[in-house]
Amino acid sequence: GAVVSQHPSWVICKSGTSVKIECRSLDFQATTMFWYRQFPKQSLMLMATSNEGSKATYEQGVEKDKFLINHASLTLSTLTVTSAHPEDSSFYICSASPAEQSAYEQYFGPGTRLTVT
Amino acid sequence: GQNIDQPTEMTATEGAIVQINCTYQTSGFNGLFWYQQHAGEAPTFLSYNVLDGLEEKGRFSSFLSRSKGYSYLLLKELQMKDSASYLCAAIDSNYQLIWGAGTKLIIKP
Repeated sequence: GAVVSQHPSWVICKSGTSVKIECRSLDFQATTMFWYRQFPKQSLMLMATSNEGSKATYEQGVEKDKFLINHASLTLSTLTVTSAHPEDSSFYICSASPAEQSAYEQYFGPGTRLTVT
Repeated sequence: GQNIDQPTEMTATEGAIVQINCTYQTSGFNGLFWYQQHAGEAPTFLSYNVLDGLEEKGRFSSFLSRSKGYSYLLLKELQMKDSASYLCAAIDSNYQLIWGAGTKLIIKP
């Protein structure tokens, strides 16, 4: 149980275009979903936290107009990278939690490798 | 500020034992996680400690000392598949996860 999927697993796009990444909890309802970014040889960097039906909470330094997060249902959250640039190339990972205190129970998706050319 | 420190890289031999240390400074403390992450994959849960002491789970054990702000992950009988990054993450008083940069473990035959 507790499976989280991400789609696509990898994507290559041209600079200036937008890319949407989906995160789904397959067998549980996710109270909270998290979006992380990870650059090579670095740790996970939390970008934003989202709860179903409400606006996402972005971490300091993350542009909310550039990284659009939608959490329309208890099983789906999407991250849209708008007007992507090469510096946005990274490994994007989502996690989902069914728990009230979400830090204690996070299930990670397999990640999406984004390359912007 | 909040901070997690762990070594950047470690090398060990197949069959041996390795200890990966983690020190943390957080605003409050509500537990510490260890995750394993293979290259290009998402992290997978290894252990959670909130009380002082050693938690053993098969070949992997995790230790916590709250008074010292210190934890370690102990891996025994190392196998080549244990080559991965090991991430330490602490939960602060706001129940936020604070992540370390990870320790890349290289296993040699």
